Amino acid sequence: AQKITQTQPGMFVQEKEAVTLDCTYDTSDQSYGLFWYKQPSSGEMIFLIYQGSYDEQNATEGRYSLNFQKARKSANLVISASQLGDSAMYFCAMREGWDQAGTALIFGKGTTLSVSS
Amino acid sequence: DGGITQSPKYLFRKEGQNVTLSCEQNLNHDAMYWYRQDPGQGLRLIYYSQIVNDFQKGDIAEGYSVSREKKESFPLTVTSAQKNPTAFYLCASEDGSSYNSPLHFGNGTRLTVT
Repeated sequence: AQKITQTQPGMFVQEKEAVTLDCTYDTSDQSYGLFWYKQPSSGEMIFLIYQGSYDEQNATEGRYSLNFQKARKSANLVISASQLGDSAMYFCAMREGWDQAGTALIFGKGTTLSVSS
Repeated sequence: DGGITQSPKYLFRKEGQNVTLSCEQNLNHDAMYWYRQDPGQGLRLIYYSQIVNDFQKGDIAEGYSVSREKKESFPLTVTSAQKNPTAFYLCASEDGSSYNSPLHFGNGTRLTVT
């Protein structure tokens, strides 16, 4: 079974609109961390936001926020006020046993976001 | 500036040849990782190393080998045993000091084998 599932291969949004990228995860660990990365067409991977399994508040970083629903095992990325530069592929990733630093991240297959003017 | 350098950006090889992808970091990070990215597949873990002279296989290690003789360097060799080596390869590192430390990635090497 996949550990990270991103069900939207592609999403389309207009500038200034908000968009939600879905991510569900599967783990039996109580301690884990969830990450979102952005990959523009250049190929670099840009870290966006992190949510720990014990964090009570949803994480926010500028225009990015994470809608964390632990019981449903979902960690959706919300991008507010989309910009043309947000067009990229977005990956959700998980680290199980977060208290053991150096554990590898497991990635989903990604969602391609296209922002139009 | 600190960062991760992968070279070369594009690499072309003939089938049956081994090829080594370079990854160097000057972030003083202990842990380093190699991922492979194929279209529609996301990133899949090949090998990772948490400390010098030690490394572990990831999900798709067959046909690959690594070494970690220095903290700064984690080269990946794609051997002729790898059945489908054409892909985008990403190297990453992290300091491992805290549970929420993100991976820092290089800009990747696109390998084409014909």
